[in-house]
Amino acid sequence: EAGVAQSPRYKIIEKRQSVAFWCNPISGHATLYWYQQILGQGPKLLIQFQNNGVVDDSQLPKDRFSAERLKGVDSTLKIQPAKLEDSAVYLCASSLSVRAYEQYFGPGTRLTVT
Amino acid sequence: RKEVEQDPGPFNVPEGATVAFNCTYSNSASQSFFWYRQDCRKEPKLLMSVYSSGNEDGRFTAQLNRASQYISLLIRDSKLSDSATYLCVVNSNTGNQFYFGTGTSLTVIP
Repeated sequence: EAGVAQSPRYKIIEKRQSVAFWCNPISGHATLYWYQQILGQGPKLLIQFQNNGVVDDSQLPKDRFSAERLKGVDSTLKIQPAKLEDSAVYLCASSLSVRAYEQYFGPGTRLTVT
Repeated sequence: RKEVEQDPGPFNVPEGATVAFNCTYSNSASQSFFWYRQDCRKEPKLLMSVYSSGNEDGRFTAQLNRASQYISLLIRDSKLSDSATYLCVVNSNTGNQFYFGTGTSLTVIP
């Protein structure tokens, strides 16, 4: 079974630039999560989708971050404009449903903002 | 106050040792609890869920203490391959929000 796919794996940008990350969850998984993991910290949930609807985006900095999952499968997370403190690994995870507790994580995108 | 707190360690133990990690959570209405393992520069993977009655999977034992709002992970007969960061995860009472601890770093030394 294919796992969660993410791209790119690495990205280096200058502050104030824009960047987008892509995630393809495990086939059949209705729930998709985006996490931000800063070095030395645990993952922090940014946004959670159930199919193409947002379940929780309370910790998403909406002034600069946006995410969508238009067809209920793939998802993109965008940062515009980026700040130095956005340097982190952005992890995408999926699960069968909101109540299915095991989350499967992708390899992440390591973002460096200079 | 953080939703989930863990001692970041690091824990450095010899092979064969027994090591225990604790994690506390702030929301008494939290429903579900998990331990994830994260290897260096890799993604987190589910190690085990934590049930009210406690549960064991081989050398790993997880316990939940709702009264004191903490969960624990015990690793017996440590192996070199157990070296990783162990993340405590708590699911909120609404079932929608997952909170991760900062992780506890374990290094098993030959």
